[in-house]
Amino acid sequence: DADVTQTPRNRITKTGKRIMLECSQTKGHDRMYWYRQDPGLGLQLIYYSFDVKDINKGEISDGYSVSRQAQAKFSLSLESAIPNQTALYFCATSDTGADQPQHFGDGTRLSIL
Amino acid sequence: GNSVTQMEGPVTLSEEAFLTINCTYTATGYPSLFWYVQYPGEGLQLLLKATKADDKGSNKGFEATYRKETTSFHLEKGSVQVSDSAVYFCALSSTGGFKTIFGAGTRLFVKA
Repeated sequence: DADVTQTPRNRITKTGKRIMLECSQTKGHDRMYWYRQDPGLGLQLIYYSFDVKDINKGEISDGYSVSRQAQAKFSLSLESAIPNQTALYFCATSDTGADQPQHFGDGTRLSIL
Repeated sequence: GNSVTQMEGPVTLSEEAFLTINCTYTATGYPSLFWYVQYPGEGLQLLLKATKADDKGSNKGFEATYRKETTSFHLEKGSVQVSDSAVYFCALSSTGGFKTIFGAGTRLFVKA
């Protein structure tokens, strides 16, 4: 089983709909992250959480919200989806420390029509 | 602020060719440096890392040396295979440790 699991893997929806992307992990890490990947732009950080009570905005948080339901679960919501939020979304986890790598899920491909 | 710049792709090589993907960084203090690889339909996975100057990270035939004097962390492999076709990301994590900065990624195609 994957250490970091994202659901759904693919989603097509319409403008204005509310969407939730879910992430769960079995790594036991306190730190969790949501990224957005657009072609040629690398990864952009949306939100990050260092523990259940700690939520922080990243570079591109407008139009997104998150919930850290437990150490193992971190969900991302688009309250009212718009077409320019069409992208590949990744959840990641890491242990504490600058020398610790991030562990990624396989991503959710989201298309908003 | 901290930043990572890596060579633009795509890079196209024949099997068994030598690979170099350039990466330079800007950071205060002493960041940790990483290379990640992304295969089609998958998330990023750690390829190698180095945490202090002159350290060499290596894995699966890939190598990169942390050069503080030139602020570089170039990825090299002596003989690429078709299975190495993927997107490669250079990244740094600051000593504060709260955020990782990723480069834009370099797509590699290896032809048989």
